[in-house]
Amino acid sequence: DAKTTQPPSMDCAEGRAANLPCNHSTISGNEYVYWYRQIHSQGPQYIIHGLKNNETNEMASLIITEDRKSSTLILPHATLRDTAVYYCIVRVGSGYSTLTFGKGTMLLVSP
Amino acid sequence: NAGVTQTPKFRVLKTGQSMTLLCAQDMNHEYMYWYRQDPGMGLRLIHYSVGEGTTAKGEVPDGYNVSRLKKQNFLLGLESAAPSQTSVYFCASRTGGVVGDTQYFGPGTRLTVL
Repeated sequence: DAKTTQPPSMDCAEGRAANLPCNHSTISGNEYVYWYRQIHSQGPQYIIHGLKNNETNEMASLIITEDRKSSTLILPHATLRDTAVYYCIVRVGSGYSTLTFGKGTMLLVSP
Repeated sequence: NAGVTQTPKFRVLKTGQSMTLLCAQDMNHEYMYWYRQDPGMGLRLIHYSVGEGTTAKGEVPDGYNVSRLKKQNFLLGLESAAPSQTSVYFCASRTGGVVGDTQYFGPGTRLTVL
């Protein structure tokens, strides 16, 4: 699986959009970009995933660049409950390949 | 749906003791995983299973054994616990065989080995 690079930490004001970047310059054509988050002491939670098109769900939006070498997770209106570590993971879409977690980005949402 | 559940939530062991962690899922998922997470670190894969009766080693399998006798359960065993196995253990499951399917995690088991 391709490696990813994320900033170790980011801050965001409550109510503002949080934009979390991820670089995955060695991504292969059959690899998806997944985002998970982990709120303190809890199990990781799935947020969103995509292959090459931009994706949106009730939690977030995922913007993938045309060359697929980087992506951005957008939380449109961050709340205090969005404070968590966010993991960007690249993985082949099918088969038994697992999620390889790096250190992620610690997002702190402040009042 | 309870999703993925883990038993117990907390446990303290003495060095050399044994124990089994239980993971159960009610989503009829084929694939199940055991991870450990140490302070300030990401999750590391211990063992995984791609179906009932099958298991395979992950990144850090030493000192652990697993069994998948029933599709819904995945057991993680520590035969002789060591302080280095103090960690938070997470179980996960996913459908498998579906492109882009997502992985669901349990709440974790906090294990301390004295």
